[in-house]
Parts: sequence; structure tokens; C-alpha cells
Amino acid sequence: NAGVTQTPKFQVLKTGQSMTLQCAQDMNHNSMYWYRQDPGMGLRLIYYSASEGTTDKGEVPNGYNVSRLNKREFSLRLESAAPSQTSVYFCASSTLGTGTYGYTFGSGTRLTVV
Amino acid sequence: GQQLNQSPQSMFIQEGEDVSMNCTSSSIFNTWLWYKQDPGEGPVLLIALYKAGELTSNGRLTAQFGITRKDSFLNISASIPSDVGIYFCAGPWRGNEKLTFGTGTRLTIIP
Repeated sequence: NAGVTQTPKFQVLKTGQSMTLQCAQDMNHNSMYWYRQDPGMGLRLIYYSASEGTTDKGEVPNGYNVSRLNKREFSLRLESAAPSQTSVYFCASSTLGTGTYGYTFGSGTRLTVV
Repeated sequence: GQQLNQSPQSMFIQEGEDVSMNCTSSSIFNTWLWYKQDPGEGPVLLIALYKAGELTSNGRLTAQFGITRKDSFLNISASIPSDVGIYFCAGPWRGNEKLTFGTGTRLTIIP
């Protein structure tokens, strides 16, 4: 049972470089999310997608873009990476209507921007 | 910004001890959730609470939904090494499809 798969697991970028973090789920969930985790800050929502074809900003969207490619895949793009974007990024998915407790998280992507 | 504050930020305990942690909010929540994150992994749901005053257990874990609906508590009895990790509270943010998470409580067990 794969659940939510994130790639890559680790990445080092230079300031100004771009990259896309990939996320795929095989649970037929409608909703998908991107969070970042920083020490002492908990998990903060970057963007989410309630259904295929829709995306909305979360708490900390600046510097990021997202694409809901299809029902399974939700990618996060950093167009011009900055050191402040050094963080651990988590993708999650849930079923519509049970979003408050039905989250399944991936194992994370650890990104360092130098 | 961040709506949920957890305390303590970190705990260092010996195996077998009981653990208590709490989460407070400036806003009323209708649902409280507790997640655990093992090192190198994503958070996993432990307990969900849906009613003020509700007390729910999951094995050695017990969580309570505060009467004011602005706080929640998690207790772990007789801690074991696999309890190590970060515990997060969470609640619905601006609707029922998104969660906001607390700042986390890191639990370490001293040999």
C-alpha cells in the first residue's frame, strides 16, 4: 500500500534555482495539500486542492506555485529558491467531507537552499 | 498566522513515566485532532475529538476536548521507547477541508 508518495526525499538547491516537488496518492482522495515544517513552527499550509482542477492558497503561499495535474498528482514548484525556503515539505491527501481527520501524509522532502 | 500553541515545546522523561501535554487556541474549534510524527516520517493521526468535554482513548493515549472548545489535552501513560517523536494538535481552519497544526511537543525518552 503506497498511500502518498513524495519525490525526491532530499534536495539541495542554490539560491535562484528552480525545482518541482512531486506528490502522488493512490487512495482516490479528492483533496490534496502541501505543508512545510520548520522547527518551532509546526506544519504550515502552503497550498491545497479540494478537487481536480482547483487550487487555493494556504497560510504561506508566497514563493510557491502548484499544479493539480490529475486526481492522483499534486506538484509544488519553487520558481526561484531562497534560503528561507529551506524546510521539510509534506504532501497530504484526504477524502472530501472527511478532511478534518482523514489526512494521509507522505514521508516528506527535505530541501536545503544554499 | 499560527493559531494553535502547544506546551511544553519539549519533554525529557524516563521510560514508564506518564506524559501530559496541551494545546490552546485563540479561536473556538469544533474538532480537535492529535497526530504523532516519528523521526523522518510524516504525521499519523492518533485521536480525533468532535464534542466539547469528550474524552477518548487509544491504547495508552487519552485525549480530551476542552469545555471551552479552545483547548485540548493529550496524556500518555507508562511511556515506552516507541513513544518518542513529535506530537501535534490540529483543527479545521477556515472550513472543514484544511487543517491548521500546533507548534508541536517533542518527546524524548531518557535511557
